[in-house]
This record gives sequence, structure tokens and C-alpha cells, in this order.
Amino acid sequence: DQQVKQNSPSLSVQEGRISILNCDYTNSMFDYFLWYKKYPAEGPTFLISISSIKDKNEDGRFTVFLNKSAKHLSLHIVPSQPGDSAVYFCAASRENTGFQKLVFGTGTRLLVSP
Amino acid sequence: SAVISQKPSRDICQRGTSLTIQCQVDSQVTMMFWYRQQPGQSLTLIATANQGSEATYESGFVIDKFPISRPNLTFSTLTVSNMSPEDSSIYLCSVEGQGAGNTIYFGEGSWLTVV
Repeated sequence: DQQVKQNSPSLSVQEGRISILNCDYTNSMFDYFLWYKKYPAEGPTFLISISSIKDKNEDGRFTVFLNKSAKHLSLHIVPSQPGDSAVYFCAASRENTGFQKLVFGTGTRLLVSP
Repeated sequence: SAVISQKPSRDICQRGTSLTIQCQVDSQVTMMFWYRQQPGQSLTLIATANQGSEATYESGFVIDKFPISRPNLTFSTLTVSNMSPEDSSIYLCSVEGQGAGNTIYFGEGSWLTVV
């Protein structure tokens, strides 16, 4: 049972435009969410996180939105740059059982073209 | 952020052999975590490694197959035992970030191919 889902395996965006990556989860007990970027042959790089007490968190070009009622979160990258081309994973956890235990989605490959 | 080093970064292993992956962190951390990413799949948590106690394994993972050591607060090893082609994966260790905020950092990963 896939508790965290990224239904779009890939996304192509032009440089300078907005990239929107989506993630859905099924476990209502999740209360902490993270986004990671991963290049081939490298470990995931932390991008941004959000707690369930918030519905938005922003860090530079990256903004994460959380819709608890829909069990949906999204990552917005504005403006997109070619260096953003990578696989993006969303992850979820439960703070009361250990926020460090992450359940990952299957990833979305983002391609930003010049 | 924590600096996490893993060795080996990549290896080709013979079926039936075992390989130990090392994870070194540049600061003391209470918990270390081991994940696996099989080809085309998501990352899956294997176990949590605490210093001074046995590792805690997630469903589907057992100590005989993935023995873990945690001799101190900056180091851990994961052994993949009696390997088969299905064990071909990227193995990653992760730690909690220091300072404010809940952040988890990952090492570069160890890419194992079993032939």
C-alpha cells in the first residue's frame, strides 16, 4: 500500500516558468512533510519541509503548500532553472513516532529546458 | 547541515557474498537511519540504528539479512548478507539535522550491483 503517492512520473517546464510538483498521501496520521531533490548517483538533498500546523512554507524559490483536508501537498519552484532538473521526492512522517522515519513517494522527474 | 560520508560509493558484488557499507557523520547524532532505493523505486526505510542498542528494523527487513552496527555516535555500518540480484540497490544512511527545525540529511549513497 503506497501511503505517499506522486502520480506524475515526469514533468517538463521551460526555464523561468513555474514548476508544480504534486504529492498525495493516504495516512491522516502524517503530520510532517519534506521535499527532496535527487540527482543521479547522489543522495537526496533536502529542500523544504512543512509541519501540519501550517499550510504554506516558503524558502527562496521553493514554496510548499499543504492541504490537509485533501491530503495533498505541492512544491512550487519559481522561477525554474535548468539546474533544477532532477528527481523530486516528497516524504511524510509522524512526529509522535519519530519524524525521522520517512515514507517516500515514488518521485517525479523534473526537466527544465532552457 | 550534517556531512555524511558513505563507503563504498559503488560496488559490483558476486551473488552469495556479503558487503558492509560504512556511514560516517561529522557530528554526534543520536539516531542514524538506513534506507534502500531499488531501481525505479522509492526510498524505503530499512532500520534505525541507535548507539548502544540493537537496531530497530522495519517490516520486511530482518537482522540476519541486514545486520547493523552502531559503535559510536558518529559511525554506523550496514551489511547486506548473502546477496542476490534483488539486493541491487542504492543504500543510503541518514541523520537528523542539528539546530532548529526537523530536517533529515542523507549521505551520497552506496550503489550496489549484484551479479
